[in-house]
Amino acid sequence: TQLLEQSPQFLSIQEGENLTVYCNSSSVFSSLQWYRQEPGEGPVLLVTVVTGGEVKKLKRLTFQFGDARKDSSLHITAAQPGDTGLYLCAGELKDNFNKFYFGSGTKLNVKP
Amino acid sequence: EPEVTQTPSHQVTQMGQEVILRCVPISNHLYFYWYRQILGQKVEFLVSFYNNEISEKSEIFDDQFSVERPDGSNFTLKIRSTKLEDSAMYFCASSWDGRYEQYFGPGTRLTVT
Repeated sequence: TQLLEQSPQFLSIQEGENLTVYCNSSSVFSSLQWYRQEPGEGPVLLVTVVTGGEVKKLKRLTFQFGDARKDSSLHITAAQPGDTGLYLCAGELKDNFNKFYFGSGTKLNVKP
Repeated sequence: EPEVTQTPSHQVTQMGQEVILRCVPISNHLYFYWYRQILGQKVEFLVSFYNNEISEKSEIFDDQFSVERPDGSNFTLKIRSTKLEDSAMYFCASSWDGRYEQYFGPGTRLTVT
């Protein structure tokens, strides 16, 4: 059983389309982080959300933390080929400081 | 821009041999981490380190593994007697506050033959 379930696993869309990827859990997290990982490289932090209901925007990317701090979403507006990559969520459980769990990732392909 | 560095980028070793993977975290960071990623699988937490001691470790981090901060800049992961299943990408990460931002290195690809 995965602590963090990401969906969908794969997503292939045309340039200009919008998309949302999800990161869900039955556990409460003190924070959730979103990363992007290119093949053969380390994850690169995009954003951290810490407050239930929090929404953060990074250009065309919008991140939301669920009210109960059990889930998060990443919405990309007008996707571009440069958005292609593996998107990972990771979280720190409420009562387990300094130990981070990763989801399996959503592999996004944006076709020109 | 400061970054986490890791050496070597690729390490090939024979089963049963000891390996040491090295990391130089960002200089003013206080929390240090090791993760591994088996090819095609998710990133898995191994251990976190703060104030010269292990803060948390996962079930994967058994007696074959150890970490050390031998000086003010390096952070190492030692695997005492490697197994075939230790073949993976190993990532080091560091954080200023241990909560909200982790910065990952480029990884060391360990191949055990």
